[in-house]
Amino acid sequence: SQTIHQWPATLVQPVGSPLSLECTVEGTSNPNLYWYRQAAGRGLQLLFYSVGIGQISSEVPQNLSASRPQDRQFILSSKKLLLSDSGFYLCAWTPTGITDTQYFGPGTRLTVL
Amino acid sequence: KQEVTQIPAALSVPEGENLVLNCSFTDSAIYNLQWFRQDPGKGLTSLLLIQSSQREQTSGRLNASLDKSSGRSTLYIAASQPGDSATYLCAVKDDYKLSFGAGTTVTVRA
Repeated sequence: SQTIHQWPATLVQPVGSPLSLECTVEGTSNPNLYWYRQAAGRGLQLLFYSVGIGQISSEVPQNLSASRPQDRQFILSSKKLLLSDSGFYLCAWTPTGITDTQYFGPGTRLTVL
Repeated sequence: KQEVTQIPAALSVPEGENLVLNCSFTDSAIYNLQWFRQDPGKGLTSLLLIQSSQREQTSGRLNASLDKSSGRSTLYIAASQPGDSATYLCAVKDDYKLSFGAGTTVTVRA
């Protein structure tokens, strides 16, 4: 069966520090991968998605970047965190194709102080 | 740009009552619609997926309908239980992306 992992689960970082969040999927190959952010009291906002290694699409201009160094690994990064980067970050995957269910990881709670 | 709206934002019902959660979307050119459940501080759990060619899906006490032409979906939860307390999110898929509503937070009182 397929499993999606995210780490760390919780992170507290000072403003201006770098960020690296990791997501990995097991039990499948060539998945579509997604990064979402959920700010307090707001809905999920799609940040990045990837349909293959090295292929990253960005949905909104921001202080974040994403990379996909391996087929089942998706990394969210920042060089300098802002207060507004605080939120709940969720990684998700779907099988290759248009119509399939999207599966979510457990999320990372990021607080920038 | 697809916009997804969920009404009401919050709902509190006594145990045993049926729940009706509404979702509307602006662009009917979707591949599918998905309902999720989110418990506080947790990730999303998929409840039901309705393909654009389908009218409804059922799983246990859950039933979701889809009227693509009018841009609406409804999630019905029969005989609610305290364990159903959570935030319910709907999302529509066009191209490779999901567009989410803000969710309906449900409280079922024992």
